[in-house]
Amino acid sequence: SYVLIQAPSGSVAPGQTARITCGGNNIGTKSVHWYQQKPGQAPVLVIEYDRDRPSGIPERFSGSNSGNTATLTISRVEAGDEADYHCQVWDSDSDHWVFGGGTKLSVL
Amino acid sequence: QVHLVESGGGVVQPGKSLRLSCAASGFSFSNFGMHWVRQAPGKGLEWVAFLSYDGNDKYYAVSVKGRFIISRDNSKNTVSLQMNSLRPEDTAVYYCAKKDRHSSGGSLDYWGQGSLVTVSS
Repeated sequence: SYVLIQAPSGSVAPGQTARITCGGNNIGTKSVHWYQQKPGQAPVLVIEYDRDRPSGIPERFSGSNSGNTATLTISRVEAGDEADYHCQVWDSDSDHWVFGGGTKLSVL
Repeated sequence: QVHLVESGGGVVQPGKSLRLSCAASGFSFSNFGMHWVRQAPGKGLEWVAFLSYDGNDKYYAVSVKGRFIISRDNSKNTVSLQMNSLRPEDTAVYYCAKKDRHSSGGSLDYWGQGSLVTVSS
């Protein structure tokens, strides 16, 4: 089955840029979706289809996907961006939806 | 706006059954596939099951296949998850989520607040 790899944690200072990666075999050939999850809350879709922002998501959130790595970039990080971030793809070989292990982003 | 509300969670003994339900509103329910996703305490998200808009296509994670059954009632705007032969490792918050508008694969664009299932003797 398809596997997505995320670093367990990362940190960034307010105002700086955070980059959260999601690794997978030829992930660049798949569509990657990103979810933000704050403590005690349900996940929220922040990037879909590699780089599209759903309505209401700030422009500070952007995405890219190429080769074996997809990246979620958060510019001008705010304290409210502290959360877990999960990547997700659809594995067409198995008709399964797959999540990465999640990255906990701390804002210092 | 889209609203998903799960119910039916609780504490259950290993080997027993439990049924979760998710009530949907704010969108044309019969036009969209629906998912169940779970999250064990302190862990990441795990996709559990998917059911197509018309109920014809069902897919399950390997960890639950043969034990869990996903179903829907488009007349009542509900999707359910029948969980049988429960194991301690099934302990998690269970979320229902709406599939996006695209025909295959895709994202989970709206989520409920979740329902906690605890499997323990």
